[in-house]
Amino acid sequence: AQTVTQSQPEMSVQEAETVTLSCTYDTSESNYYLFWYKQPPSRQMILVIRQEAYKQQNATENRFSVNFQKAAKSFSLKISDSQLGDTAMYFCAFVTQGGSEKLVFGKGTKLTVNP
Amino acid sequence: GAGVSQSPSNKVTEKGKDVELRCDPISGHTALYWYRQSLGQGLEFLIYFQGNSAPDKSGLPSDRFSAERTGGSVSTLTIQRTQQEDSAVYLCASSLGRMNTEAFFGQGTRLTVV
Repeated sequence: AQTVTQSQPEMSVQEAETVTLSCTYDTSESNYYLFWYKQPPSRQMILVIRQEAYKQQNATENRFSVNFQKAAKSFSLKISDSQLGDTAMYFCAFVTQGGSEKLVFGKGTKLTVNP
Repeated sequence: GAGVSQSPSNKVTEKGKDVELRCDPISGHTALYWYRQSLGQGLEFLIYFQGNSAPDKSGLPSDRFSAERTGGSVSTLTIQRTQQEDSAVYLCASSLGRMNTEAFFGQGTRLTVV
């Protein structure tokens, strides 16, 4: 079975500090893509960052970076210099090459950035 | 259109009635997905379309749920004889259909069955 586990239902961080959200996944496929999506209170899902499993280099997008550990099947998201606008639900997801290309999501982590 | 459009944004229906939820994907996107998000939960996969065909409908919870897509564009998710446990936000997403491309989401339809 293909599953995604986000072990932190809720987290909080002070503005300007750094926070790391954890994600582990399970798949028997060797080629897949990993994603972090953000869902603010508006309900609009927004892609934050993506990582190809065949790339060893960790993806970065401005203040967002990932720590991808393929052997451990771990894909954590680090948010640096947290801003109030980062307050949202964060979902980890992946899609495999062998299969229907459906995105499999975790249950999410609710992140609150405090002023 | 500029983004994925879903209608209605909110729907309240009586138990036992049928409902239709509509999704207008981004023009040119061949892949279309339906997900269900219950309160405080993650996204539960329902069905995936590639063009007008549905290679994966494994997530539909029961035979009360069905979906179709016409002209490789608009999709309709139909729930027959709604139950209270069907209450959730139903999200639609579309993408270019290649595995690593971004899936763009609509703002969802909040369905409440009373």
